[in-house]
Amino acid sequence: SQTIHQWPATLVQPVGSPLSLECTVEGTSNPNLYWYRQAAGRGLQLLFYSVGIGQISSEVPQNLSASRPQDRQFILSSKKLLLSDSGFYLCAWSEGSLRNSPLHFGNGTRLTVT
Amino acid sequence: AQSVTQLDSHVSVSEGTPVLLRCNYSSSYSPSLFWYVQHPNKGLQLLLKYTSAATLVKGINGFEAEFKKSETSFHLTKPSAHMSDAAEYFCVVTTMDSSYKLIFGSGTRLLVRP
Repeated sequence: SQTIHQWPATLVQPVGSPLSLECTVEGTSNPNLYWYRQAAGRGLQLLFYSVGIGQISSEVPQNLSASRPQDRQFILSSKKLLLSDSGFYLCAWSEGSLRNSPLHFGNGTRLTVT
Repeated sequence: AQSVTQLDSHVSVSEGTPVLLRCNYSSSYSPSLFWYVQHPNKGLQLLLKYTSAATLVKGINGFEAEFKKSETSFHLTKPSAHMSDAAEYFCVVTTMDSSYKLIFGSGTRLLVRP
């Protein structure tokens, strides 16, 4: 069966520090991969998605970036964190188009920027 | 344009009584619809999905939802609430614009009283 791993579970970082969140999927090939952010009291915001290695689509202009160095690995990064980057970051995958394949989420990373 | 509205931000029920979480959608095409559940500090878990097959969809943990095109609704129900059902529930709809984007409702927090 397919599983998705996200780490770390919680992270406290000072403003201006770098960020690297990692997500891996097991048990499937060539998944579509997604990064979402869930801010307190707000809905889910799609940040990036990827349909293949090295292919990244950005949905929101910001100081975050994403990379997909391997088929089942998706990394969210920042060179300098802002206070507004605090939130709950969720990685997700789907087998194909979201019109037919549901999203499967990881357990999330709670990021607090101080 | 597509949209999804969850009509109640909070719903409180007693254990053993029925649950009704309401969702209305707006779409110019025939979307796929999903319900997800999120427990505190966890990722979203798929409860059920509608993808133009049977209009009454059965999901995990005794939940079901009925797709009513004439009412543009996709309400989530469960005959008897359990304490473990206390969580936040999201109604989600696909978009015509992209195979990689979803529209999330604002969420309904379900409280279950003993």
